[in-house]
Amino acid sequence: AQTVTQSQPEMSVQEAETVTLSCTYDTSESDYYLFWYKQPPSRQMILVIRQEAYKQQNATENRFSVNFQKAAKSFSLKISDSQLGDAAMYFCAYRTESPYNQGGKLIFGQGTELSVKP
Amino acid sequence: EPEVTQTPSHQVTQMGQEVILRCVPISNHLYFYWYRQILGQKVEFLVSFYNNEISEKSEIFDDQFSVERPDGSNFTLKIRSTKLEDSAMYFCASYRLVDGYTFGSGTRLTVV
Repeated sequence: AQTVTQSQPEMSVQEAETVTLSCTYDTSESDYYLFWYKQPPSRQMILVIRQEAYKQQNATENRFSVNFQKAAKSFSLKISDSQLGDAAMYFCAYRTESPYNQGGKLIFGQGTELSVKP
Repeated sequence: EPEVTQTPSHQVTQMGQEVILRCVPISNHLYFYWYRQILGQKVEFLVSFYNNEISEKSEIFDDQFSVERPDGSNFTLKIRSTKLEDSAMYFCASYRLVDGYTFGSGTRLTVV
C-alpha cells in the first residue's frame, strides 16, 4: 500500500525568505500524481501544486515550486518570498490508481504547520 | 470558478443519532469522494463514488456509513448512529481529469 510521510510537524520562516517542506512516499506504481494542499485556519483544502510522475520537469506555480526526485521518492515544496498569508498547514498527497484508471483516492501525509514571522 | 458546496458548515448531534452531510459537487465531474479529518490529524479517505455506485471504501467506512446521489446533483454521507469518535471535519470532493480534485469547505461534525 502507498504511504506518504511528512517528517516536519512544524516549520517557521521569516517573511520574504524561502522555505522547503519535505515529503517522501512509498509506492510500487510507475505512474502517479503528487499534490501539495494548503489548509489555512478556515480548514478549506486548497490545491497549491501538482506533479505528474511521468514528467521530469518540476512543477512551478508562481512562488511555489517542487523538487521531485522520482528515484528517491521525494517530493518537496519550496515557497519563495514567503508571505504572511502562506501561514497554514500543508499536506502532501499521493493519488492512487482506481479501478477506472482515473479519479483514484488521495493519500495524505500528516501535514506540516508553517508559520511565517513578520 | 465552479466550487463544491457542503452543508451544513457545522452540525452538532447527540451520540446515537443519525446525521446526513450534504454536498453538491461540480456539475460535470464524475467522481465523488468523502474524506474526514479528526482535529489535529491527517486527512483520511472514506469512500469514492462513480457511476452511481461505490468504487472504493476504506476500513473506516463501515456499516454505519452510507452514501448516495439521489437526484443527480446532491451527494450525501449518512452516519446511521453517531459515536463520539465520529467528531471530525468531513470534506466532500469531486474530480475530473482536466480540473483535478476540488474540495468543499467541509462540515464540522460534533457528536456530544
